[in-house]
Order: sequence, then C-alpha cells, then structure tokens
Amino acid sequence: AQTVTQSQPEMSVQEAETVTLSCTYDTSESNYYLFWYKQPPSRQMILVIRQEAYKQQNATENRFSVNFQKAAKSFSLKISDSQLGDTAMYFCASRGQGGSEKLVFGKGMKLTVNP
Amino acid sequence: GAGVSQSPSNKVTEKGKDVELRCDPISGHTALYWYRQSLGQGLEFLIYFQGNSAPDKSGLPSDRFSAERTGGSVSTLTIQRTQQEDSAVYLCASSLSGKGSPLHFGNGTRLTVT
Repeated sequence: AQTVTQSQPEMSVQEAETVTLSCTYDTSESNYYLFWYKQPPSRQMILVIRQEAYKQQNATENRFSVNFQKAAKSFSLKISDSQLGDTAMYFCASRGQGGSEKLVFGKGMKLTVNP
Repeated sequence: GAGVSQSPSNKVTEKGKDVELRCDPISGHTALYWYRQSLGQGLEFLIYFQGNSAPDKSGLPSDRFSAERTGGSVSTLTIQRTQQEDSAVYLCASSLSGKGSPLHFGNGTRLTVT
C-alpha cells in the first residue's frame, strides 16, 4: 500500500523564523513525484513545491525549499522567513507509486505563524 | 484562466436522501480526481478519471458512492442514501496527464448530513 506519513500534527513558529516540516513516504517505484500542498482556512488547496525523484537537486521556490533524501524516503519542507500568511495546514503527497497517477496525501500538519 | 469550479459550495441534506456534487475542471485537463476531507483530517482518495480510460474507483468507501465524467469534462459525484458519516468536504481536482503534473483543486463542497 502507498503511504505518506507526517508525524507532526501541529507546529508553531515566530514570524521571520525558519521552520521545517517533516514527511516520509513508502514506494517501490524508481520514478515518482513528491509534492507539498498548503491549505489555508479558506479551504483552497495550493501547490507549494514539487520534487521529481530522479533529480538529485532539491527544489526551491522563493522562501520554500525541500530536503529530499531519497534513500531515507524523506521529503521535508523548509519555510524561511515565516510570514503570517503561511499559517495553514500543510500536506505532503506522492504520485506515481504502483503505476497509478493518483496523488496520495499524508494526514497533514497545522502550522501557525505567530506575530 | 478559470480554475476548478465546484457546486454547490455547501449542501445540507437529511439522512437517507441522495446528493449530487458537481465539478467543472480546468479546460484541457484530462485527469480529474475526487477526494474527501473529514474535519481536521487529511485527504482521502475516492476516484480518479484519466481521459477515456476506465476510472480508478479503488477509494470509493461503499456502493452508495458513484461518479461519472461526461464528455471528458464535467464530473458528478453521487452519494445515495446519505449517512451522517458522509459529512465532510468533498474536493475535486484536475490536472494535465503525467505524474509530474500538479493537481489544481476546487474550493470543495461542504456536505452536512443531519
């Protein structure tokens, strides 16, 4: 079975600080994709960042970057210079496991950025 | 351009009634997904359509749930004989084909079964 695990249900950080959200996954495929999505209170799911498994270089999008450890099946998200607008649920997801294109999500983690 | 559109945004129904939830994907997106999100929980995969291929229905929780996609575009998720445990937010997403293509989500339909 495909699994994505986010072991931290909730975190908080002070504005302007850096925070790291952890995620592990399980797959037998060699080629797959990993994603982080953000869901603010508005309920809209927003793509934060995407990583291709066969690329060794960690993906970066402005203040967001990942630490992709393929051997350890770990895919953490680092948010630098946290902003109040980063307050949201964050979901890690994988796609391409088992030949299916369905996106499998972790249970999510609630991040609160405090002023 | 227009994003994924879902209707209604909120639906309250009585236990035992049938409901239909609608999803209008982004034009040109061949893949369409339905997920369910219970209060404070993650996203539970329900069903996935890709082009003209047979849908992946492996996530549907019971035979009361069904979905169709007409003309490769609009999709309808139907829940028959609703139960209180069906109360949740139902999210629809679409994407281009290919495992690297990100999903674009609608704002969801919040279903409340009384």
